[in-house]
Amino acid sequence: AQTVTQSQPEMSVQEAETVTLSCTYDTSESDYYLFWYKQPPSRQMILVIRQEAYKQQNATENRFSVNFQKAAKSFSLKISDSQLGDAAMYFCAYRSPATSGNTPLVFGKGTRLSVIA
Amino acid sequence: DTEVTQTPKHLVMGMTNKKSLKCEQHMGHRAMYWYKQKAKKPPELMFVYSYEKLSINESVPSRFSPECPNSSLLNLHLHALQPEDSALYLCASSQFSGTGYSGANVLTFGAGSRLTVL
Repeated sequence: AQTVTQSQPEMSVQEAETVTLSCTYDTSESDYYLFWYKQPPSRQMILVIRQEAYKQQNATENRFSVNFQKAAKSFSLKISDSQLGDAAMYFCAYRSPATSGNTPLVFGKGTRLSVIA
Repeated sequence: DTEVTQTPKHLVMGMTNKKSLKCEQHMGHRAMYWYKQKAKKPPELMFVYSYEKLSINESVPSRFSPECPNSSLLNLHLHALQPEDSALYLCASSQFSGTGYSGANVLTFGAGSRLTVL
């Protein structure tokens, strides 16, 4: 079974600074998908960024980027120019290929990010 | 419409009550999921429906009864719950596809139903 590990229960960052959240995972599969989801106090789980394992290029979405190291099974999230609205719980998640259509997400324990004004 | 809608947002029930949580999506997704989330914990998978058929049941107690009456709706029927069942219940949906369409692998979540069992 796949597992996802987030070793930082809490992080803080100064507004406008950069912060990196860590995630490692364990799998024997060669093809899979990785995600970072954000869950603010409003509790809505929001997709931040996704990465396909078969792509070598790191995904980017505006101020959010990942450092995907497939051999090391590492998938860190970098948030640049942090904003107060980035404060939330961040979950790293793994998903096997959806060829069968119903593979669920496997979540890490989460990292709570605080943004200091 | 790119949303998953969950109702009610909040539910308080006694241990002898029967209630239901409802989830609706109109994105044409044919996989739907129920997750349970306790405070400061990650979501835990409960059930997965594929093409309106139950495909995964993560050994959930029978006091939780899922139902998928059509491709847009997912219900979770609750009966004789315990106080430890109090949690946020999240619904999600996703497309079906082979590899190559990466968007198919994204789960879209609803805002959740906060359940309190007294």
